[in-house]
Amino acid sequence: KAGVTQTPRYLIKTRGQQVTLSCSPISGHRSVSWYQQTPGQGLQFLFEYFSETQRNKGNFPGRFSGRQFSNSRSEMNVSTLELGDSALYLCASSLGTGGYGTEAFFGQGTRLTVV
Amino acid sequence: GDSVTQMEGPVTLSEEAFLTINCTYTATGYPSLFWYVQYPGEGLQLLLKATKADDKGSNKGFEATYRKETTSFHLEKGSVQVSDSAVYFCALSVTGNQFYFGTGTSLTVIP
Repeated sequence: KAGVTQTPRYLIKTRGQQVTLSCSPISGHRSVSWYQQTPGQGLQFLFEYFSETQRNKGNFPGRFSGRQFSNSRSEMNVSTLELGDSALYLCASSLGTGGYGTEAFFGQGTRLTVV
Repeated sequence: GDSVTQMEGPVTLSEEAFLTINCTYTATGYPSLFWYVQYPGEGLQLLLKATKADDKGSNKGFEATYRKETTSFHLEKGSVQVSDSAVYFCALSVTGNQFYFGTGTSLTVIP
């Protein structure tokens, strides 16, 4: 079956701009989570969406937002970009209903560079 | 809060050497524990998992045992190969699709 697809793979944006990243989960998966990966902070949880509702949220400013559509595809938006937002953004897909011990499948990520 | 502490890298080993990467965790509930691996330019791939105390996860020669008494989930492999060179992440999950990751350990295996 097809894996998790993230688009675009690479982005270069200017400070102050906004950006939208997309994630298509594995067919049948209803949960999508987003993570930011940087050399200094490692992997940090941004938020999780399940059935179009935000279910969990990490400790990021309000400039980071997301949404999920009825087909489970998710988008993440970052407004007023800062240099520190440069990172690899990873999307993780899971069934979402298995609860305990359910594994997540990750996309290849979107590499965002803010200049 | 929930967190994972992972052995710092980088680790460099000769082919066929024994590998241990230490991982300890702090969790308020009853977490599931995971090891993920990341190859250059790729996302994370699940290596193995354990969902309760004393469970042993295993895959591709890698093993880790969920030790509740020591809050640990150390990754081991008896004989590493060059193809095992990657970054390894220990992670826990208590609820939903939300994971807490360690900082990652970079492994390089030399022939």
